[in-house]
Amino acid sequence: ETGVTQTPRHLVMGMTNKKSLKCEQHLGHNAMYWYKQSAKKPLELMFVYSLEERVENNSVPSRFSPECPNSSHLFLHLHTLQPEDSALYLCASSQDSAASGQPQHFGDGTRLSIL
Amino acid sequence: GQQVMQIPQYQHVQEGEDFTTYCNSSTTLSNIQWYKQRPGGHPVFLIQLVKSGEVKKQKRLTFQFGEAKKNSSLHITATQTTDVGTYFCAGIISSGSARQLTFGSGTQLTVLP
Repeated sequence: ETGVTQTPRHLVMGMTNKKSLKCEQHLGHNAMYWYKQSAKKPLELMFVYSLEERVENNSVPSRFSPECPNSSHLFLHLHTLQPEDSALYLCASSQDSAASGQPQHFGDGTRLSIL
Repeated sequence: GQQVMQIPQYQHVQEGEDFTTYCNSSTTLSNIQWYKQRPGGHPVFLIQLVKSGEVKKQKRLTFQFGEAKKNSSLHITATQTTDVGTYFCAGIISSGSARQLTFGSGTQLTVLP
């Protein structure tokens, strides 16, 4: 039990589908993150939210759309994805933003496969 | 862009042998964190180093931060099968007023019984 819960654990979707990934943290943290983890590549930071405001967007394609309705929940809305988007999507949270040097707590991830 | 490089990418050791992974940055790091990801699992925070030349130990794991704060290492003494996983370093790089945590590519450790 990490305190960060992600659903679903696995998702298979076609390129024309629309789906959402959900993340919930029970740690009382103020910052939340989406990462993409592909084979043989470093963890890629996608989005950062601090106190429910987006503070970073690392040139992520618009087919990925984040939403942070409150400090405990984070969503990643997906539409018209490409096969190269197949990866493990990890959510993380930290007490404050990563810039403050706080350790990050990760969820188990959603394994996404695009057909 | 600014990167944190990690070597080796893969390491196979016999149980009982030592293991070291190295992390290097072209720019000075404010601090560095280390994470472990077991196969099929998620990254788990191990430790953070902040001071130049800092050395910290956790049982058989020894973490070092270089004097110039541009490199770091993780050394495991007498590996066990429970050490299997991928070890990531992550450095905070300051650029003007912006600070970003950047992960290395990881070292995947296999321990043969």
